[in-house]
Amino acid sequence: DAKTTQPNSMESNEEEPVHLPCNHSTISGTDYIHWYRQLPSQGPEYVIHGLTSNVNNRMASLAIAEDRKSSTLILHRATLRDAAVYYCILIQGGSEKLVFGKGTKLTVNP
Amino acid sequence: DGGITQSPKYLFRKEGQNVTLSCEQNLNHDAMYWYRQDPGQGLRLIYYSQIVNDFQKGDIAEGYSVSREKKESFPLTVTSAQKNPTAFYLCASSFGRATGGVRGNQPQHFGDGTRLSIL
Repeated sequence: DAKTTQPNSMESNEEEPVHLPCNHSTISGTDYIHWYRQLPSQGPEYVIHGLTSNVNNRMASLAIAEDRKSSTLILHRATLRDAAVYYCILIQGGSEKLVFGKGTKLTVNP
Repeated sequence: DGGITQSPKYLFRKEGQNVTLSCEQNLNHDAMYWYRQDPGQGLRLIYYSQIVNDFQKGDIAEGYSVSREKKESFPLTVTSAQKNPTAFYLCASSFGRATGGVRGNQPQHFGDGTRLSIL
């Protein structure tokens, strides 16, 4: 399974943008980049996903490097409700399996 | 509202006992999944099913069993052979290949989990 690398933790202040990085240097051409987040004692929540082009939705933006070896999840204005563990996951084109790492724990300060 | 429901929220198992965790979805999804999460760790795949009456082992299937008799339901049984069952169990579903979904391009929707402990 393709591997991703994320920082263990990050901090942000409320109302400021947050850029959560993810490295995936072994990504293959058919791997989709997915982001999920998880609050304590809850199931993960889908945030966004993409293949090659940058993506925007109501929750966040996903910026994918031109060589696809890294990506960045962008929360445009962090709120206290955005405090969670964020997982960057590669899903291979031949599989529906999610392979979770340890993710990045985001702390949002008021 | 459509969603995915897991029950019970908390479950206790005695030594030598099998227990079954329920997972129901009304999202009309073909694919369903079971994951296990240990404290401070990411999720690990136990079993998954892409269509009714078919399922495949994930990375940690030993000591678990599943069935998929209905599209809406994917129960997980934790058997007495699973020696370390204490964990947070999560069920998920997605549109799959049966509905023409592009592989890797389908978000998964998760339930709120069942926390299993040993008495």
